[in-house]
Amino acid sequence: QSALTQPPSASGSPGQSVTISCTGTSRDIGAYDYVSWYQQLPGKAPKVLIYEVSERPSGVPDRFSGSKSGNTASLTVTGLQAEDEADYYCSSYAGRYTFEVFGGGTKLTVL
Amino acid sequence: QVQLVQSGSEVRKPGSSMKVSCKAPGDSFRRNGITWVRQAPGQGLEWMGRIIPRLNLANTAQNLQDRVTLTADTATTTAHLELRGLRFEDTAVYYCARGEYFTTTFGVVLPHLDSWGQGTLVTVSS
Repeated sequence: QSALTQPPSASGSPGQSVTISCTGTSRDIGAYDYVSWYQQLPGKAPKVLIYEVSERPSGVPDRFSGSKSGNTASLTVTGLQAEDEADYYCSSYAGRYTFEVFGGGTKLTVL
Repeated sequence: QVQLVQSGSEVRKPGSSMKVSCKAPGDSFRRNGITWVRQAPGQGLEWMGRIIPRLNLANTAQNLQDRVTLTADTATTTAHLELRGLRFEDTAVYYCARGEYFTTTFGVVLPHLDSWGQGTLVTVSS
């Protein structure tokens, strides 16, 4: 059982927006602004989309955005494209004894 | 994007050990740490541990502490993950990833894993 809770699946039609949630606790997401989101295409290594809640690495389209409220972080994908179909994982720093935790992943389907 | 290069696939018997290597570019250890993540077949990502060579710091997930050793060779900028007492459920793809570290009031953080290895499949089979 993963430390962070994500919905197992999400879907949307091309051009639409979809938001994926990631729920933790006051010991991880609620305590630190070190939430990251990763995209994993089939058979590939994960790729960082968002770090520090809402920062986007260079090269990541601005269609991907992140936010946080309390113990829940969210990833929003606007203007869905077929190439966005992938698994998405959140992670959070969880302090100097647990260090880092992942969510269970969300499979995004573009209808 | 910087590429980390991992060692090849392994098949191991239950109870034995595995060791995966991760070669990083030459300047990687100056401001970066290496995180290890594994993914069992059809499952999600599991954080295993991290090593920050410049700080001589290694941390491991609590559920793996007694079986995992993380090391780094600064001369060759290669990190290693050793897992002992292998079980069938250790069958997974093992990834290394690099990120810049920051020392904060609540510990050392690696908020941005910007480069990943290609993954190493380790199969535990009798």
